[in-house]
Amino acid sequence: DTEVTQTPKHLVMGMTNKKSLKCEQHMGHRAMYWYKQKAKKPPELMFVYSYEKLSINESVPSRFSPECPNSSLLNLHLHALQPEDSALYLCASSQVAGNTEAFFGQGTRLTVV
Amino acid sequence: LAKTTQPISMDSYEGQEVNITCSHNNIATNDYITWYQQFPSQGPRFIIQGYKTKVTNEVASLFIPADRKSSTLSLPRVSLSDTAVYYCLAIGQNFVFGPGTRLSVLP
Repeated sequence: DTEVTQTPKHLVMGMTNKKSLKCEQHMGHRAMYWYKQKAKKPPELMFVYSYEKLSINESVPSRFSPECPNSSLLNLHLHALQPEDSALYLCASSQVAGNTEAFFGQGTRLTVV
Repeated sequence: LAKTTQPISMDSYEGQEVNITCSHNNIATNDYITWYQQFPSQGPRFIIQGYKTKVTNEVASLFIPADRKSSTLSLPRVSLSDTAVYYCLAIGQNFVFGPGTRLSVLP
C-alpha cells in the first residue's frame, strides 16, 4: 500500500467554523507533511512532523493547528479562516524527514466563504 | 536550502524527447536531486532521484554533471498525458518546491 489518503476531498466552510482535515498512511513512514497550494503556484510547505513530533512550522498562522495522534495519522485543525486561505491542502509522507521520495495524497480542496 | 531554477514553461509534440534543465548552484553535499510531476488538482508524484552521473527508470532519465550545479530530466517520446508541471527539488532536509516547469505536449 503506497497510498496517502486525505479526507474530505472537498470542504466549504464559513469564517467562523471549526473543521479538520485528515491524512492517513500505512507505509510505516515516520515523517509527515502539510502543504498549501494555490492555483498555478507550487506547493508551499506548512508543517513537518518527524516521529510524531512537530519539527518544522513555516511561520503558519495559528488559525491552522496541526496534530499527529500517531505515526499513521496527521490532522490539520482549522479555525477562523479567511477567504484567502482557500486552496488545495496536500498531505505527504516519507520514510524519514528529508528522505528523497515523498508520497502525496490527492489533497483537500478547501473553500472559505 | 538550495534554490532551484527551471524554465517556466515548455512546449513539445507527441513522440519527441523532452529535456528539462534545472539549475541548483548552491546545492549542498548531502542534497539529492529529485523530480516530481503534478497534474491539475492532484498531489505531486515522484518521478526520479539521483545524486550524480545518470539515473534511469521506466519513466525518465536524470543526468547530473560532476559539479552537481545542474541536472536534466529527460522524458523519452512524450505523449499528451505527460502534460503537467515538473518540479526539481534539491533535497537536504525537507521538500521545498520551486516554481516548476509547465510542460505542454501538443498533438
